[in-house]
Amino acid sequence: DVKVTQSSRYLVKRTGEKVFLECVQDMDHENMFWYRQDPGLGLRLIYFSYDVKMKEKGDIPEGYSVSREKKERFSLILESASTNQTSMYLCASSHDRLGGSYNEQFFGPGTRLTVL
Amino acid sequence: AQTVTQSQPEMSVQEAETVTLSCTYDTSESNYYLFWYKQPPSRQMILVIRQEAYKQQNATENRFSVNFQKAAKSFSLKISDSQLGDTAMYFCAFTERGGYQKVTFGIGTKLQVIP
Repeated sequence: DVKVTQSSRYLVKRTGEKVFLECVQDMDHENMFWYRQDPGLGLRLIYFSYDVKMKEKGDIPEGYSVSREKKERFSLILESASTNQTSMYLCASSHDRLGGSYNEQFFGPGTRLTVL
Repeated sequence: AQTVTQSQPEMSVQEAETVTLSCTYDTSESNYYLFWYKQPPSRQMILVIRQEAYKQQNATENRFSVNFQKAAKSFSLKISDSQLGDTAMYFCAFTERGGYQKVTFGIGTKLQVIP
């Protein structure tokens, strides 16, 4: 079975802390994504990676960075957490496109982060 | 930039009835994919159905079907014979056919199936 796992389901941090959210996929997918989900705003792309050590900014990268040292692992880093980063964070992965075809994104269960 | 609009924040339907969720989108691309994703309460997001823009025929997956109107940039989801397990957030989404698989999502419609 396809599997995307995230390191924590719930996380509580304090303002100014450095926060690491980890995502691991076991499907040998090339692409990995970090989204933020907020009520009334849907899912917004923070960063994505199409290969090891490669990354691209999404729509809302400010205040975040990412790391992809291994193909199966994609980390989201909040350098100095702020209260406006309280949210649900979703990781996803997919195979690379071939000839313009689409490959389904598989999602992790999400991490609900609260920054106090 | 592409945008996806879902104008129904919440909907409800009686079990065994049919419900239609609306979605419109805006793009200047001619080749793209459209999707409906389902996120059950406290569970992972899964793909329900997808439509390729160059295909005229509307996609169907069991009780789920879409009404794709390319000229109107409309992509609605019909759920027939609604079941309690259909209770979820439903997200309409879009991606271009070329390039990386960056997906743009709508804000979601919360569907409640009532017994």
